[in-house]
Amino acid sequence: GNSVTQMEGPVTLSEEAFLTINCTYTATGYPSLFWYVQYPGEGLQLLLKATKADDKGSNKGFEATYRKETTSFHLEKGSVQVSDSAVYFCALHVPSSGGSYIPTFGRGTSLIVHP
Amino acid sequence: NAGVTQTPKFQVLKTGQSMTLQCAQDMNHEYMSWYRQDPGMGLRLIHYSVGAGITDQGEVPNGYNVSRSTTEDFPLRLLSAAPSQTSVYFCASSYSSHGVSSYEQYFGPGTRLTVT
Repeated sequence: GNSVTQMEGPVTLSEEAFLTINCTYTATGYPSLFWYVQYPGEGLQLLLKATKADDKGSNKGFEATYRKETTSFHLEKGSVQVSDSAVYFCALHVPSSGGSYIPTFGRGTSLIVHP
Repeated sequence: NAGVTQTPKFQVLKTGQSMTLQCAQDMNHEYMSWYRQDPGMGLRLIHYSVGAGITDQGEVPNGYNVSRSTTEDFPLRLLSAAPSQTSVYFCASSYSSHGVSSYEQYFGPGTRLTVT
């Protein structure tokens, strides 16, 4: 089956530090990969995505590269801000001939950024 | 567009009571789903729908019913509330274009339910 593994949190950083949140996956077929962000008290929202190997998704200073050889999609940001404090979810979806649309989510990684 | 809306935002129920969590989307999305989020458990899929009149069970369907009479609405019914159903509930929608699903999920703001 499909699965997503994220690093355990919380990740605690000082403002302007470099961020990496690791995400690895197992999947049958060729998945699309996603990062979602959940700010306190809100629902999840799409942060970035990549649909094929070597694609780089980017948004709001965050980046992630689809690495098929290492089955990874690590999230990075060069300089975090207090406003980036949130929970980050890695997710995948594998297209199938049956039209299955159910995504697979990781358990989420909490990021806390201190001033 | 309002996107995905959920009501109520907060709810407290007594054990054994029933209620319906409302979810609506105005984006004409075919796919809709319900998740619950619990500390340390991530998101767990309760029920989902691939179109009006079609629903199916997810990972944790027991104690919940759904129906999809219109494209826009996907209510979640708790039949007899139990303390184990205390959670945050999220509704999500997604779409396909030219027969290809985008797979990107659009989430509502959530309903925080406490069962005492």
